[in-house]
Amino acid sequence: AQSVTQLDSQVPVFEEAPVELRCNYSSSVSVYLFWYVQYPNQGLQLLLKYLSGSTLVKGINGFEAEFNKSQTSFHLRKPSVHISDTAEYFCAVIPMDSNYQLIWGAGTKLIIKP
Amino acid sequence: GAVVSQHPSRVICKSGTSVKIECRSLDFQATTMFWYRQFPKQSLMLMATSNEGSKATYEQGVEKDKFLINHASLTLSTLTVTSAHPEDSSFYICSSARDRNYEQYFGPGTRLTVT
Repeated sequence: AQSVTQLDSQVPVFEEAPVELRCNYSSSVSVYLFWYVQYPNQGLQLLLKYLSGSTLVKGINGFEAEFNKSQTSFHLRKPSVHISDTAEYFCAVIPMDSNYQLIWGAGTKLIIKP
Repeated sequence: GAVVSQHPSRVICKSGTSVKIECRSLDFQATTMFWYRQFPKQSLMLMATSNEGSKATYEQGVEKDKFLINHASLTLSTLTVTSAHPEDSSFYICSSARDRNYEQYFGPGTRLTVT
């Protein structure tokens, strides 16, 4: 069985400071990895994804993530956050042998302090 | 591209009535559609997976007679909550996937409140 762990339920950070949201996964098969963002009272939007190739993936809104296979991690980073980045961030994986079914982490709420 | 719409965005209904939620992929053909439920401050819980023209596959613990899913075409899936009760109040989100893309495109969600 696969699982995704987001170690922090909330991450408070000052505006213009860097941030890292952590994500680890467990799987017996190879996976595709995703980060989604959910702004208040809205649906989910894809930030970035890793399917293959370079392990450093750049996404929208200045976010990037690095796939580390040995540590089974896919941490999300941004060098300088803005108030508009306040949202819930979800890490998810799709096992390569599945019907596109996403396995979700519990989410991390990013709180930007002015 | 890859826009998914949901209708309605909010619905309030009385206990015992049924509510239908529509999910449409507006600019692509979705071979697979997913229905999720999200409780406050929690992650998404997959309810069911449906492929066009076939019966939906429900996750364990999800009552298929209560949450009826119809995937009649490659652009439309519906979720009907039958005989709704207050505990069915939740945020329901659909998503669509295209072959060989491994990315799901999410609708904006439907807030259901059962009084």
